[in-house]
Amino acid sequence: ETGVTQTPRHLVMGMTNKKSLKCEQHLGHNAMYWYKQSAKKPLELMFVYSLEERVENNSVPSRFSPECPNSSHLFLHLHTLQPEDSALYLCASSQASGGTTRRELFFGEGSRLTVL
Amino acid sequence: QKEVEQNSGPLSVPEGAIASLNCTYSDRVSQSFFWYRQYSGKSPELIMSIYSNGDKEDGRFTAQLNKASQYVSLLIRDSQPSDSATYLCAVTGQAGTALIFGKGTTLSVSS
Repeated sequence: ETGVTQTPRHLVMGMTNKKSLKCEQHLGHNAMYWYKQSAKKPLELMFVYSLEERVENNSVPSRFSPECPNSSHLFLHLHTLQPEDSALYLCASSQASGGTTRRELFFGEGSRLTVL
Repeated sequence: QKEVEQNSGPLSVPEGAIASLNCTYSDRVSQSFFWYRQYSGKSPELIMSIYSNGDKEDGRFTAQLNKASQYVSLLIRDSQPSDSATYLCAVTGQAGTALIFGKGTTLSVSS
């Protein structure tokens, strides 16, 4: 496999369910990201992991819980979500080097989440 | 609040014409600038990056950056129907910050 892969591609869940989104990157990058894309809104940064440490948490509700067990894998654990959380969740990776801001992001295909 | 502004469009151009997409950003210390293309139902795909003032050309695409005006643009020459997509402008600021995206401009190229 190449690039950034996300599973599942589509997920429908009730408000009381617990589910997880998975992301795996095969690019040798050391930073991984979760973005949320809703209709008519810009991509919203949720979490950033660099060298497996969470370096950014953009005021995301606690019903979203990220996990980064190593530099190739990233999870987003979901519980007691709301219908307004329905969106496309995009995982991305980049090579983060000290002092550089040339963060070219490579995205996975996304997980389309519907909360009923 | 750091912001990236784009005209949402749709921008409609005939096949073979030049499409001009514009973006402004609010953070004066921004250093890296990117254009992503997103087809309907797909994820964003990086098509251009630019880091210094001036023009950068790659095939039919030219990115232009003017840091003094906090303005970055993307020109698509000889537009094709396959260029029809949403184009996202993204900006990063000081070291350690992730990309901030605009809402995107929808381009429609008619044959």
